[in-house]
Amino acid sequence: DAKTTQPNSMESNEEEPVHLPCNHSTISGTDYIHWYRQLPSQGPEYVIHGLTSNVNNRMASLAIAEDRKSSTLILHRATLRDAAVYYCILASGSARQLTFGSGTQLTVLP
Amino acid sequence: KAGVTQTPRYLIKTRGQQVTLSCSPISGHRSVSWYQQTPGQGLQFLFEYFSETQRNKGNFPGRFSGRQFSNSRSEMNVSTLELGDSALYLCASSLEKPGLGYGYTFGSGTRLTVV
Repeated sequence: DAKTTQPNSMESNEEEPVHLPCNHSTISGTDYIHWYRQLPSQGPEYVIHGLTSNVNNRMASLAIAEDRKSSTLILHRATLRDAAVYYCILASGSARQLTFGSGTQLTVLP
Repeated sequence: KAGVTQTPRYLIKTRGQQVTLSCSPISGHRSVSWYQQTPGQGLQFLFEYFSETQRNKGNFPGRFSGRQFSNSRSEMNVSTLELGDSALYLCASSLEKPGLGYGYTFGSGTRLTVV
């Protein structure tokens, strides 16, 4: 699977929007972009995924660049419970696994 | 609906012993995957089962094995435990593979400590 690049850490203030970037310049046309997060002492939690168009769900929004070489996970109003490691993962059409990188550690300040 | 259930939550074993971990997926999910998480290596894929067949295997020694039953429940086994096997073992279930746009639901994991 193609690689992704994320910042090691980010900080946000509570109740403000958070934009978590992910670069994937070698993405192929059939690669899905998946986002997961992992809270302390828990397994990863599915957040959102998309292919070409922007996606919204109750947890977050996913904005995908027109050339698909980057994407941004948007948390509209960060809460303290959103403090976690966020993983951006590409999954090709044949992928039967998720390949996790080191992710972005999000700290939410009260 | 019930989530992915992993048992036991915590386990302490001695070097050289073997261990079996269990995972019950979400009802209707036929794909079950296992991951190992350590501070040094992060989350690494172990193997994936679908309808009782292993479809994919990660880069782990043969001491790590698994199986899936007809009700989709899965077990993984580690034989001849080594100190380096101490890790959080995570199970994830899905309707199908992520390359087709399906998400995974992870369990809370089994924390294995080898002494």
